[in-house]
Amino acid sequence: EPEVTQTPSHQVTQMGQEVILRCVPISNHLYFYWYRQILGQKVEFLVSFYNNEISEKSEIFDDQFSVERPDGSNFTLKIRSTKLEDSAMYFCASRSFGSNAEQYFGPGTRLTVT
Amino acid sequence: GQQLNQSPQSMFIQEGEDVSMNCTSSSIFNTWLWYKQDPGEGPVLLIALYKAGELTSNGRLTAQFGITRKDSFLNISASIPSDVGIYFCAGLRGKLIFGQGTELSVKP
Repeated sequence: EPEVTQTPSHQVTQMGQEVILRCVPISNHLYFYWYRQILGQKVEFLVSFYNNEISEKSEIFDDQFSVERPDGSNFTLKIRSTKLEDSAMYFCASRSFGSNAEQYFGPGTRLTVT
Repeated sequence: GQQLNQSPQSMFIQEGEDVSMNCTSSSIFNTWLWYKQDPGEGPVLLIALYKAGELTSNGRLTAQFGITRKDSFLNISASIPSDVGIYFCAGLRGKLIFGQGTELSVKP
């Protein structure tokens, strides 16, 4: 069964460093998302991406964040200068065409900023 | 921002018992979804509801989309130890808006 994959599973970085989180969405999917979950809290939307551009972003997704689809398979989230409060699980999700199409989540990357 | 209120926050039940959790919103959603999250993993879709009043089952799970489109509930019948985890409701408005989660513990 096709699945969303994410690498790395765990990333430890120092405050102020740049990190890139990688996702490989399901191959025939067209819509891509990043969500974040701070430990013990709910899952929060960060950004959605379609047709090579951001379609929606939340207040959390400030100028320190960017997304890219550098090739036909990867979807990345970059945080330019990490802060302690960026420590969280970051989930990538993807879905196919159709407004009711279900979003499938990857296993997540645990980002720890020290 | 948009908020979903999910209750209860946590439940401790005996194996074999039925479980019910619900989610309410101040605004309408056209799609409600229920996800389960195991520790250290991503949310896994359990049930999707697309029509007000719809009642949908997936094995021992049953979910309903409230007639006002502002609420949904999830029932788990005859719980088993592997039902342990965090259950999230979510409303779909382009993006998913998640509730705070219900942490379920099942005692064998």
